[in-house]
Amino acid sequence: GDSVTQMEGPVTLSEEAFLTINCTYTATGYPSLFWYVQYPGEGLQLLLKATKADDKGSNKGFEATYRKETTSFHLEKGSVQVSDSAVYFCALSDRNTGNQFYFGTGTSLTVIP
Amino acid sequence: GAGVSQSPRYKVAKRGQDVALRCDPISGHVSLFWYQQALGQGPEFLTYFQNEAQLDKSGLPSDRFFAERPEGSVSTLKIQRTQQEDSAVYLCASSQTSVRSPGELFFGEGSRLTVL
Repeated sequence: GDSVTQMEGPVTLSEEAFLTINCTYTATGYPSLFWYVQYPGEGLQLLLKATKADDKGSNKGFEATYRKETTSFHLEKGSVQVSDSAVYFCALSDRNTGNQFYFGTGTSLTVIP
Repeated sequence: GAGVSQSPRYKVAKRGQDVALRCDPISGHVSLFWYQQALGQGPEFLTYFQNEAQLDKSGLPSDRFFAERPEGSVSTLKIQRTQQEDSAVYLCASSQTSVRSPGELFFGEGSRLTVL
């Protein structure tokens, strides 16, 4: 079945450091891929998405490229800020499974000044 | 309101009690999802509605769990005879699009259920 595997946390970085959170997926069809973020005390919100191979999603300085050959959708940011501290979830939606969303277990990021 | 609203935000129940969790999706959103999120885990799918039709309930963990959306808007997740393993955050999400087109999910803040 469809699934998402993402890098386990927690991750602690200093401000302005480079961030990578790995995400790989398994899907029967051609899924859309998403990164959701959950800031402390808030609900999940969409950070970025990509709907087909080689698409790059980007938002707030974060980027992720849909790599079909490696079934990956790694999240990157060149220079993190304290305000980026949150839990990040990789997710996929597959038309073959009724567009049900599958989420990874989440990666907690803490950025220290 | 502008976003997905869930109530109650926090619920403490004694084992064996019935609970009802409410979700008000964004107005006009066709799709509505319920997820269960255990501590330190990602959201796990429970059930999905398109308008008033419950198209997928494969994620409901037992027949103690029941969800409805009778008028295609507000949805209620009911858990009968709660058990300690039901303790989790229950998330509701809505989407403007139908099952044929993947769209962004808008999440509520969740209802945290603690079963003693």
